[in-house]
Formats: sequence, structure tokens, C-alpha cells
Amino acid sequence: QVQLLQSGADLVRPGTSVKISCKASGYAFTNYWLGWIKQRPGHGLEWIGDIYPGSGNTYYNEKFKGKATLTADKSSSTAFMQLSSLTSEDSAVYFCGRMLHYAMDYWGQGTSVTVSS
Amino acid sequence: DIVMTQSQKFMSTSVGDRVSITCKASQNVRKAVAWYQQKPGQSPKALIYLASNRHTGVPDRFTGSGSGTDFTLTINNVQSEDLADYFCLQHWNYPYTFGGGTKLEIK
Repeated sequence: QVQLLQSGADLVRPGTSVKISCKASGYAFTNYWLGWIKQRPGHGLEWIGDIYPGSGNTYYNEKFKGKATLTADKSSSTAFMQLSSLTSEDSAVYFCGRMLHYAMDYWGQGTSVTVSS
Repeated sequence: DIVMTQSQKFMSTSVGDRVSITCKASQNVRKAVAWYQQKPGQSPKALIYLASNRHTGVPDRFTGSGSGTDFTLTINNVQSEDLADYFCLQHWNYPYTFGGGTKLEIK
């Protein structure tokens, strides 16, 4: 069955970076776009961007350009999202999700990132 | 960016009732809308794609409808396990955008 297993929660200092992983199993990793979502209480859900692991092609929400960098490692069926220059506004739960019919069908369990000194 | 408005932040219903959750797009998104269910402490679960197609394994009491700017998720014969947040997503224009969510409460 399709599974997306994300890395664990992170507590990071302001101004630093964090890299979240999303390991896929149960389907052909290189054949589906994979998207990333940010969820914060009171701010709803935001689409960060998506990546096609087969080619490495990416699309980014303009709001997250310069903040998020999406990559994928075909050999390990793992996608990554690096968030840089972290501030308190980046404290959130981040989800990865396989895309089918242009929207997510399967989601990871979420990774909580807390930015605090 | 396209704004997706779920005007009902909270809805209260009883087991066995029918409830309709609405989502309005700020411009025509054709049928490019998905619906998700998120239970407390869990990741979202996909219910509906392309406005009216049920994902595999989703109970047939969940029905999606609409096109253009107005969309509805209807839950027939509501069950206690349907207590959750529901939100819509448009994927017609980038960046894809979500509705603010509707919290369904079971009386």
C-alpha cells in the first residue's frame, strides 16, 4: 500500500535551516508528482510547491521561493524539503503528499517544525 | 491567487442527518476541486477529486458536486466518526489554494 513516511519533529534556532524527508513506498516514486503543504493553526493550509522525482522538475508557490527547496533521491525513493533562514513564521506542521489527478491522494503523517531560541 | 471561501467555519449535525459543506472560488476553476477530511491529530485524507469523484475506499455517503465557482461536499447519514475538519482545494491555477476549513461537530 502507498505510504509516505516523514522525518520526526524538529526544534531549530532562528536563522538556521532544516531539511525534512518524505520516504515513499508502495508505488513507483518516479512516476508521480509529490507536493508539500504547510499547516499552521489560524493560518490554514498553504501549498508550498511540488516536485516530479523522475526528472527533478519543480514548481514553487511564489511565496515560498527562496524559503523552500525541493529535491528528490530516486535511489532511496525519498523527497526532501529544505527550509532556510527560519523565523517563528516557519513554525508549522509540514506535509508531503503524492499527487494524483493534480491533487494529493496520499499524505505523509506530518513533520512539526518549531523555530525557537 | 484564487481564494477559496468556506463560509461555515463550524457546522453541527446529528448522527443520521445529511450535511452540506460549501466552498466558493473567487474565479472559475472548472471542476478542479478536491475535498479532504482531517481528524484531530491526523494528516488529511482525500475524499473527492475533480469535484465529484470519490477516491477508492471512501464511503458512498460522501458526495461532491459543483463546477465553476460553487462546490459542495455532502455527507449523507452522518456517522460519529465523521467528526473532523473538512477543506477544499483548487488546483486549476498555481499556486493551488485551500479553503479555510469547516469543522463538523456531532451533537
